[in-house]
Amino acid sequence: NAGVTQTPKFQVLKTGQSMTLQCAQDMNHNSMYWYRQDPGMGLRLIYYSASEGTTDKGEVPNGYNVSRLNKREFSLRLESAAPSQTSVYFCASRVSDMNTYGYTFGSGTRLTVV
Amino acid sequence: GNSVTQMEGPVTLSEEAFLTINCTYTATGYPSLFWYVQYPGEGLQLLLKATKADDKGSNKGFEATYRKETTSFHLEKGSVQVSDSAVYFCALRGGRDDKIIFGKGTRLHILP
Repeated sequence: NAGVTQTPKFQVLKTGQSMTLQCAQDMNHNSMYWYRQDPGMGLRLIYYSASEGTTDKGEVPNGYNVSRLNKREFSLRLESAAPSQTSVYFCASRVSDMNTYGYTFGSGTRLTVV
Repeated sequence: GNSVTQMEGPVTLSEEAFLTINCTYTATGYPSLFWYVQYPGEGLQLLLKATKADDKGSNKGFEATYRKETTSFHLEKGSVQVSDSAVYFCALRGGRDDKIIFGKGTRLHILP
C-alpha cells in the first residue's frame, strides 16, 4: 500500500547510544517532516525538508540530525541519545502544491531511552 | 508566531451524544485549518480541512467551520459512536510557511 513507512516501530536505547530512524514514502511527495509526540505537548516539529537536497530546523532540533537521502527517504539520527528523547516519532510527507494541504503520516516509532 | 489552542481533555461522552471540541488559532494572514485524528497505535490522519473564511469542512459526520471573526475552528458531531474514540488535533498552515502547526490534542472517550 502506498504511504509513509517508518522503521523500526519500537526501539530501546541506552543513554549515549546512537541510532537512525528511517522514513520512506512512495507517493512522490516533495516535502518530508519529522515530529515528536509527547504527552500533553502535542506534535512538535524537529526537522523538515521542503525538497530533495534541503533541510531546515523546526521547533525542537537540538540533539538530532537529518538526511534527505533522495526524494523518497528522510532519516532522523540521534547521535547520543538522552532520556529526554524518549518519545513517539512520526514522519510525514506532502506534495508541495497549493491545492494539496494535508500531510500523510507514518505509523510512528516508539523510542525509549534508559 | 502562529499557534493553535484547543480544549484540554480527556472528553468523555456517551454514545449518540453531541460533540464539540473547541479550537482557536493565532496567525497572520489567511491560514488553512485542519482537524487530524489519531486512533490508538496509529499515525495521524487528516479528518477535514478548510482553506478560507466561512468554509465548512466535513467528513465522517464531523464538521468544522472556519470563523475568521472569532479565529476559531471548532469540531462538531451530532451523534458520536464508540469508534470515534481517538485523539483529535487542530492544526493550521499559514501563509508561505510550508509547516503545519498542531494543537496539543484532545483525547475523546465514547462510552457504549
